[in-house]
Amino acid sequence: AQKVTQAQTEISVVEKEDVTLDCVYETRDTTYYLFWYKQPPSGELVFLIRRNSFDEQNEISGRYSWNFQKSTSSFNFTITASQVVDSAVYFCALSEDTNFGNEKLTFGTGTRLTIIP
Amino acid sequence: EAEVAQSPRYKITEKSQAVAFWCDPISGHATLYWYRQILGQGPELLVQFQDESVVDDSQLPKDRFSAERLKGVDSTLKIQPAELGDSAMYLCASSLAYRDNEQFFGPGTRLTVL
Repeated sequence: AQKVTQAQTEISVVEKEDVTLDCVYETRDTTYYLFWYKQPPSGELVFLIRRNSFDEQNEISGRYSWNFQKSTSSFNFTITASQVVDSAVYFCALSEDTNFGNEKLTFGTGTRLTIIP
Repeated sequence: EAEVAQSPRYKITEKSQAVAFWCDPISGHATLYWYRQILGQGPELLVQFQDESVVDDSQLPKDRFSAERLKGVDSTLKIQPAELGDSAMYLCASSLAYRDNEQFFGPGTRLTVL
């Protein structure tokens, strides 16, 4: 079975500090996708990134960057120069093929990030 | 910008009552998902529709939960009777195609069962 582990339950940092959120996954699929979602207090899940298992290049988008390492089954997320608006719960997720022919997302338990002004 | 709509945003009910949640996906999205998110956990898929057909309802507690998408557009998730353990956030998502895993989520319905 597929599994996503986010060992950091809660993180607090002072504004402008850098912070890294860890994600470790388990899968037997050779082709899969990894995701990060942000869930602000309002509740909706906001899509941040999707990464194909064959693309191990790191990605940077503004203050956000992602480090995908297949060798350690990790897909870590770094926020540079954190801001108060970054406070939210962040979920890492893994897509899996099911017996029904669809793809299903398996989510981690989330990391609650608090940025202290 | 197109969004997934859900209503109500909040629902408080007593156990043994019936509740229903509504979702309107992004226009043109053939695939619709209902997730349940218990406090402190990640979302868990309850049911997936492709147009009006159920693709995967393996995690849906069918003794009390039902879902329908009669015209392949909007969808209703029902719980009857509600139990205390059903208190959670119910999220709806949609995607363009059957195996397109880029899902767009609605704001959710937060259910409290007393």
